[in-house]
Order: sequence, then structure tokens, then C-alpha cells
Amino acid sequence: TQLLEQSPQFLSIQEGENLTVYCNSSSVFSSLQWYRQEPGEGPVLLVTVVTGGEVKKLKRLTFQFGDARKDSSLHITAAQTGDTGLYLCAGGWGKLQFGAGTQVVVTP
Amino acid sequence: SQTIHQWPATLVQPVGSPLSLECTVEGTSNPNLYWYRQAAGRGLQLLFYSVGIGQISSEVPQNLSASRPQDRQFILSSKKLLLSDSGFYLCAWSVVGTGRGEQYFGPGTRLTVT
Repeated sequence: TQLLEQSPQFLSIQEGENLTVYCNSSSVFSSLQWYRQEPGEGPVLLVTVVTGGEVKKLKRLTFQFGDARKDSSLHITAAQTGDTGLYLCAGGWGKLQFGAGTQVVVTP
Repeated sequence: SQTIHQWPATLVQPVGSPLSLECTVEGTSNPNLYWYRQAAGRGLQLLFYSVGIGQISSEVPQNLSASRPQDRQFILSSKKLLLSDSGFYLCAWSVVGTGRGEQYFGPGTRLTVT
């Protein structure tokens, strides 16, 4: 079983600050996704990374896939209150393995 | 465009009662379908997945079952609910054969067993 470990489990920051969330595994993944979930709703796909070393940007969010395709990070620049949510990484194909998630709270 | 529906949105059921949660997908054909359960504020546990009508794979032995009577319909059932069945249930779909693993989730059903 391929396990994904996310860190930190919880992150509370003020609006305007930067933050980074990590997703690590001892296994190689063919692709890795990041999702954001708001309370009481289903996760929403943010990005998929497939190539080792790949960097993708989505407005203020920067996603990086490790060279060995075993880890990934999500960096948010100048966080806004709308960035609050549970960030989940998931890897694999077909049956995805999900990390336990990082709860991000951005306060005004 | 594709959409995924789940109902009901919330459900409160007594211990020992039956359960039926429904998920339907529109705008795509022959999707892979998945049922997950999520503990409060945490990651997702895969319960069942299906690659076609009548084809169900169970990931975790438990008090639940799943069925896929039509191509874009996925049902999660139980004959007798337990307190431990409480949770947030999510249905998801994915496109077959893309190799990217992306899944798209429904809005979820909050189940409370009392």
C-alpha cells in the first residue's frame, strides 16, 4: 500500500502571509493530485502533476512534484480568507491513496 | 459538462435501520465510480469502487454494500446501521483510461446514526 503523509496537520495564519503544505511518500507515484475541501462539501480538484520536477501555478497557488515523484508541495502566496479549507493530496491511478489532509485556517 | 449528484444531503437514522444512499453522474459514459467515507476533517477512506454495471470491488469489510444497477448510478446500502457507520459519505467518478487518476466528487451525504 502506498501511503501519503501530509504535514502539517493544521496551519493557522493571518491574511497576507505565505504557507507551504507538504505531501510525502516512500513510494513513487505516476501522478499526484491536490484537492481543497470546504466544510460540508466534497473535495474539489485543484491540480494534477505527472512529471518529476514539475511546477504548476494556479493564481497564488504553486504546486511542485518532486524529482523522484515521491513527494509534492503546495505553496500559497499572500493567503486570503477564501483559502481556508482542508487540503488533500492523493496519488495513484484508479484507486487513489489520500493523505490525511492539512487543515488551513486563514484569519483576517 | 459533467455533474455528479448525491442524495440525501443529510440523514439521521436509528441504529438497526436500513440505509440507501444514491449517486448519479451526468454528462459522461462508463465512468469509474467510487464510495468514500470521511471522518471529521480528515482524509478519505475508500469503501467501494466500480468499473462497470454490476462490477463492485469492496475495499474494507464492513456493514455496508454497494450496487451499480445502471451505468451512471451507484448505490450504497446497509441492512442494519451501526453507530460506527456515522460519517460523511462521498461519491466520486473518474474517466477510464486517462492515466492521470483524477476523481471528481459529489457534494456528500452527512449520515448520523443515533
